[in-house]
Amino acid sequence: RKEVEQDPGPFNVPEGATVAFNCTYSNSASQSFFWYRQDCRKEPKLLMSVYSSGNEDGRFTAQLNRASQYISLLIRDSKLSDSATYLCVVNQAGTALIFGKGTTLSVSS
Amino acid sequence: DADVTQTPRNRITKTGKRIMLECSQTKGHDRMYWYRQDPGLGLRLIYYSFDVKDINKGEISDGYSVSRQAQAKFSLSLESAIPNQTALYFCATSSPRILAGAGDEQFFGPGTRLTVL
Repeated sequence: RKEVEQDPGPFNVPEGATVAFNCTYSNSASQSFFWYRQDCRKEPKLLMSVYSSGNEDGRFTAQLNRASQYISLLIRDSKLSDSATYLCVVNQAGTALIFGKGTTLSVSS
Repeated sequence: DADVTQTPRNRITKTGKRIMLECSQTKGHDRMYWYRQDPGLGLRLIYYSFDVKDINKGEISDGYSVSRQAQAKFSLSLESAIPNQTALYFCATSSPRILAGAGDEQFFGPGTRLTVL
């Protein structure tokens, strides 16, 4: 089983749609969780950290379910500029981050 | 100016050649990382360093070596390049968060596209 698994997609949605991505992780000792965004042929950039209580940043909401070992990202009112690959990332304290392979989102007009 | 820089940005080389990819950062971070990215395989960790005297192998270190010359510099070498090392290589940096158990955000360089013929 891969340490971090994501549905690769692609998710093709119209502008204004709500889309959700899920991610599962295998190591129950994982302590930190993130969503990164990567545009085509560019470097990954942090989108948001994921906290146990769930957190929201504008149109983006991230949630963590430790019992089921999954993380979600919800994007509301999708924009064309949201088209990118979204990487689920986890780590344990004192180790390097482990990246999922990413989920590709394409938003069309 | 970019906080994390990589040189070269693109490189085409031949099988058997020695190649060095360089990474420099002005963020003052202690931790530095090298990843490679291949289509369908995502980002895979090659080596990482938590300070100047610390070097750790990642998931796919075979065929690679690194040198942490200073806090701000971390270079990746391919002693004898082979075609399956053709990939996009990223350097990243981070600084540990104060809170125990909190993960550190990584900041990536723009990447080096390496082609081994």
